[in-house]
Amino acid sequence: NAGVTQTPKFQVLKTGQSMTLQCAQDMNHNSMYWYRQDPGMGLRLIYYSASEGTTDKGEVPNGYNVSRLNKREFSLRLESAAPSQTSVYFCASSTPGGGTETQYFGPGTRLLVL
Amino acid sequence: DAKTTQPPSMDCAEGRAANLPCNHSTISGNEYVYWYRQIHSQGPQYIIHGLKNNETNEMASLIITEDRKSSTLILPHATLRDTAVYYCIVRVARNNDMRFGAGTRLTVKP
Repeated sequence: NAGVTQTPKFQVLKTGQSMTLQCAQDMNHNSMYWYRQDPGMGLRLIYYSASEGTTDKGEVPNGYNVSRLNKREFSLRLESAAPSQTSVYFCASSTPGGGTETQYFGPGTRLLVL
Repeated sequence: DAKTTQPPSMDCAEGRAANLPCNHSTISGNEYVYWYRQIHSQGPQYIIHGLKNNETNEMASLIITEDRKSSTLILPHATLRDTAVYYCIVRVARNNDMRFGAGTRLTVKP
């Protein structure tokens, strides 16, 4: 049981390049999330998916797109990377619980945009 | 949305109890208080959550005041491995959004 896995672990991009961050979970969770964490700050929600086939914006969605490929996988795409998107990106998943679900986080992807 | 206030940093001696406070004076009646921690640069780790009553699990205890305007996370016997940033979060009930603030950086010292 690997939990939540993320690829790649580290990536360097040039401004304007695109890339997709991959996330997968093997816990049969319905909900999945993407967060970003800037140095010295807490996590901020980018997008989430409450179930397969649905996605919703979080606190900081601009510059990102997401795809809930199936129940296991939730990808985050940067179409045209900017230096302001330099951050650590965490994926998480949770079961539904009407307010009591626990989110389980992956190890993170460290992205540097030059 | 309810917001939380936590001290930016705290120290604790190894083996002693660590008491981490959190203020959430605008919490709504159906919102839960969650605690997570983040060790170094790893993904956050769930610790405990509660609504009204005090809660205890194998990691910690959560004490919520009767008026629910504040809470305290208690690590009964802190170890060096408990050094981390601890986040107090009030869950927005209408969606899955968990708002992480800056948290409290707990340093456990030998």
